[in-house]
Amino acid sequence: DADVTQTPRNRITKTGKRIMLECSQTKGHDRMYWYRQDPGLGLRLIYYSFDVKDINKGEISDGYSVSRQAQAKFSLSLESAIPNQTALYFCATSDPVGTASPQYFGPGTRLLVL
Amino acid sequence: AQKITQTQPGMFVQEKEAVTLDCTYDTSDPSYGLFWYKQPSSGEMIFLIYQGSYDQQNATEGRYSLNFQKARKSANLVISASQLGDSAMYFCAMREGLSNTGKLIFGQGTTLQVKP
Repeated sequence: DADVTQTPRNRITKTGKRIMLECSQTKGHDRMYWYRQDPGLGLRLIYYSFDVKDINKGEISDGYSVSRQAQAKFSLSLESAIPNQTALYFCATSDPVGTASPQYFGPGTRLLVL
Repeated sequence: AQKITQTQPGMFVQEKEAVTLDCTYDTSDPSYGLFWYKQPSSGEMIFLIYQGSYDQQNATEGRYSLNFQKARKSANLVISASQLGDSAMYFCAMREGLSNTGKLIFGQGTTLQVKP
């Protein structure tokens, strides 16, 4: 079984709808991240969390919110989806050990906002 | 200013040959880590290799090696004996030691196509 899972894998929604993307991990990591990927822009950080009570905004948090329900679960919500939020969304986890710890990514959620 | 620059949008390589994917970075932090990820057409991000700023030797992982030139601020990925399954997009990323987010800063990626 995958260490980091994301649901749904694909989603089509309409402008103005609320949508939640879910992430679960079995790696036992405290740190969790949400990124979005747009063509030609690499990955950009939306939110990150160091534990259940520590949630922080990333560089592009406007229009998004998150919830850390447990160490293993980190959800991303689009309160009112808009077309420019169409993107590939990744959840990632890592150990808090200096600079050497890689981030491990989920399989991604492809979101299309019409 | 771009912190991670990958200047090759697309690359071709013949199967069984070696290929180098370029990555330059910009940081004033003395402690940092450099990572390479592979993204096949299926979309997932696969961690390949890591190099620390204080590491004396270039990192290697199987057919992957990292040509780390600290003075030039470059961290090129070398894939030896290319295989058809190596066709993918490759991302270089950096984590700065002084950053309390632990976040990775990504380049724009290089698409590699391996020709049979």
